[in-house]
Amino acid sequence: KAGVTQTPRYLIKTRGQQVTLSCSPISGHRSVSWYQQTPGQGLQFLFEYFSETQRNKGNFPGRFSGRQFSNSRSEMNVSTLELGDSALYLCASSSREAFSGNTIYFGEGSWLTVV
Amino acid sequence: AQTVTQSQPEMSVQEAETVTLSCTYDTSENNYYLFWYKQPPSRQMILVIRQEAYKQQNATENRFSVNFQKAAKSFSLKISDSQLGDTAMYFCAFMKIGSGTYKYIFGTGTRLKVLA
Repeated sequence: KAGVTQTPRYLIKTRGQQVTLSCSPISGHRSVSWYQQTPGQGLQFLFEYFSETQRNKGNFPGRFSGRQFSNSRSEMNVSTLELGDSALYLCASSSREAFSGNTIYFGEGSWLTVV
Repeated sequence: AQTVTQSQPEMSVQEAETVTLSCTYDTSENNYYLFWYKQPPSRQMILVIRQEAYKQQNATENRFSVNFQKAAKSFSLKISDSQLGDTAMYFCAFMKIGSGTYKYIFGTGTRLKVLA
């Protein structure tokens, strides 16, 4: 079974631009959650989607948004990029909603550098 | 608000030895899950072990075991017979059980280096 796939793996953007990251979950998984990892703030939960609906959201500004498609693939968008958005963005999938305590499986992440 | 604290930023252990990583958390919830995740240099997070708070028995997974002290809100990870492949960043995480809003709260991590 293929794992969680994130694309692109590495990208560089300029301040003020916007970026879209993609996540393909493990086949059959309906929950996709996103996390931001930075040296200063550590791992922080962004949001979770289940069956195309956003179920939970972390404490991030509205510039961070996402969506999930009917095939469970998810995209995360960050608009008006700031230098502080430079981070590793991790996506994870689960067969059930994450709050059920089901194991979540992480992708390798997308490295975003904002210059 | 829930918090997760990992007080050991870095640790090292000799190959084949045993090491314990500490994690404490703060919550007023009674039902929750606790996790240890491993993030090797490849950066892909891998679940090491999980513990349901309502279970008194400590979880074990091969060389990995936890010491879960619910009253003390402590959740340490013991790695026995350490191997070079155990070198990684280890994150302790908390998740409240239940419907509605939830958060995965991660600790700041402990960087473990296994020495040959």
